[in-house]
Amino acid sequence: DQQVKQNSPSLSVQEGRISILNCDYTNSMFDYFLWYKKYPAEGPTFLISISSIKDKNEDGRFTVFLNKSAKHLSLHIVPSQPGDSAVYFCAASMEYSGGGADGLTFGKGTHLIIQP
Amino acid sequence: NAGVMQNPRHLVRRRGQEARLRCSPMKGHSHVYWYRQLPEEGLKFMVYLQKENIIDESGMPKERFSAEFPKEGPSILRIQQVVRGDSAAYFCASSPRGGHQPQHFGDGTRLSIL
Repeated sequence: DQQVKQNSPSLSVQEGRISILNCDYTNSMFDYFLWYKKYPAEGPTFLISISSIKDKNEDGRFTVFLNKSAKHLSLHIVPSQPGDSAVYFCAASMEYSGGGADGLTFGKGTHLIIQP
Repeated sequence: NAGVMQNPRHLVRRRGQEARLRCSPMKGHSHVYWYRQLPEEGLKFMVYLQKENIIDESGMPKERFSAEFPKEGPSILRIQQVVRGDSAAYFCASSPRGGHQPQHFGDGTRLSIL
């Protein structure tokens, strides 16, 4: 049973336009969400995160929106650049009762392709 | 480079052999996580360790897999008597402290079983 779902395996966007990547989750206990970017043969690179007490977090070209009632989050990249072509993973976490965050639950990823 | 270091980057083993994967966390990080990624899949959590303690191993297969993070030295993920299904990319991540912190990943070890 997938608790974090990224329903679009791939997304193609023109350079300079906005890229919107979506993610849905089913576990209402998740209270911290992250986006990672991954190039082939490399590890995931942290992009941006959001706590469940917020509905928006912005960092440069990246903005994450959280809709708790819909159990949905999205990552907006604007403007999209060629170097943004990568696989993007959505991940979720819940506070670990003993202190520390537990292991992240990942979606399967969306392959973003930025076209010139 | 003060990032998470994993070695080896590639490891080839024959069925029945043992595989040892190493992870040195970022400087100042005392929390280590191991994940496995199968082809066309997302990363799956395996185990969460702090120095000398296993905090959560709910994602670890019950047999053949073990992990440690000793007081000195890197964290080790050990797979005994490997089988073809163990072929995957294994990623280690670290974070500085408890609570909600981003986990920072190494570049992984790609394990191939012949």
